[in-house]
Order: sequence, then structure tokens, then C-alpha cells
Amino acid sequence: ETGVTQSPTHLIKTRGQQVTLRCSSQSGHNTVSWYQQALGQGPQFIFQYYREEENGRGNFPPRFSGLQFPNYSSELNVNALELDDSALYLCASSSRSGADEQYFGPGTRLTVT
Amino acid sequence: RKEVEQDPGPFNVPEGATVAFNCTYSNSASQSFFWYRQDCRKEPKLLMSVYSSGNEDGRFTAQLNRASQYISLLIRDSKLSDSATYLCVVSYSGGSYIPTFGRGTSLIVHP
Repeated sequence: ETGVTQSPTHLIKTRGQQVTLRCSSQSGHNTVSWYQQALGQGPQFIFQYYREEENGRGNFPPRFSGLQFPNYSSELNVNALELDDSALYLCASSSRSGADEQYFGPGTRLTVT
Repeated sequence: RKEVEQDPGPFNVPEGATVAFNCTYSNSASQSFFWYRQDCRKEPKLLMSVYSSGNEDGRFTAQLNRASQYISLLIRDSKLSDSATYLCVVSYSGGSYIPTFGRGTSLIVHP
């Protein structure tokens, strides 16, 4: 069974730029959630995709957008990067929509300068 | 009041000790509860689900108290390897899925 993978591992961007982060879900899982984790804080829910549809969204502005593909992999896009977007971005997959047990990828550490 | 609150600690305990963490939540319609463990600069890993009847996995016991709106995690016979941050997650599914993590409780087990 393949675990959750994310790419890239680290990324440095400049304020105002755009970034795309990628996630491959665990085999057999059809649901992907994205989280932002700042240092010393718990993960903050950005949104969830279930069978290619957004299934819930946290308190993040529209410049945070996502996609899920037919193979259930997913992308997180962030436009007009701000310094406060610097964080660890985590992707988690689960076997069904809703509040199921989630399995996290190693994360992408984004630094915005 | 935050939706999910945890004492950030750190809880500093000797090996072999018993330690307990609580996590309070504000949304009485919350439906699902979990504990995750996160090591420094790593991803969270599922520790256990929390059921209404409570559940136990080896040295770990999780309880849910809906009346007082909190969940708890008890660790018995602490090991050095238990040192980590413990995150609680509370989820509400009222049409769409909204999970909320606490900020985590730091545990340090020393020899």
C-alpha cells in the first residue's frame, strides 16, 4: 500500500508570486484534505476534495484554490503569495468523505520572502 | 472562545509516569473525534479515534465526554519515545466537512 506523497518538499517564493503544491493520496483513498500549519500551531483546514468535488472549506481566502484529479491526486494553488503564507502545507487522504481517519503526507514547507 | 482548545504544555514527566491530556470543544454538534501524534518537523500521525464508549489501545486510552464537551487521552507507563506533540481533532459534518485541530499539547518524557 502506497502512502501519501507530496511535492515539492521545500519551496521558496517571492511575495506576489503563485505556487502549486501536489499530493498523491494513499491507494484506495478517494478523499484529500489540505491543511496549513504555522510554527507552534495545529494544522488549519483549507479545504477537502471528495471524488473531484470540493466537500468543505475552512476560513481561507479565494486565492487558495484546489483541484482533485480522476486518480484522486490533488493540487493546492495559492495566488498572490503573502509573507503570512509561509508555513508547512499538509495533505491528508482518507477512504471516504466526511470525518474519517486521515493519513498525512510529509508536507511541503513554503517560505515566502 | 476557540473552537478546540488544548493546554500547550509542555508536560514534563518521568519514564513510567501516567499522564493525561484534555481537549475541549465548543460545537455541541461535533460528531467525530481523533487524537494524532506529531513529532518535531514531521507530519501528524493518527494515534486513535475516540468513540462514545471510549477506547483503549495498549498504554493509550481515549475518552469522550459529550456533556462537558471534551475528549481526553491517557498515557500509562510513559516511554521516552512518547515525547511528541499530541493533537486533538474535532469534526462537524453539517452538510460539508469542517475538521478543527487543536494547537497541540507537548509531552516530554525524561529518564
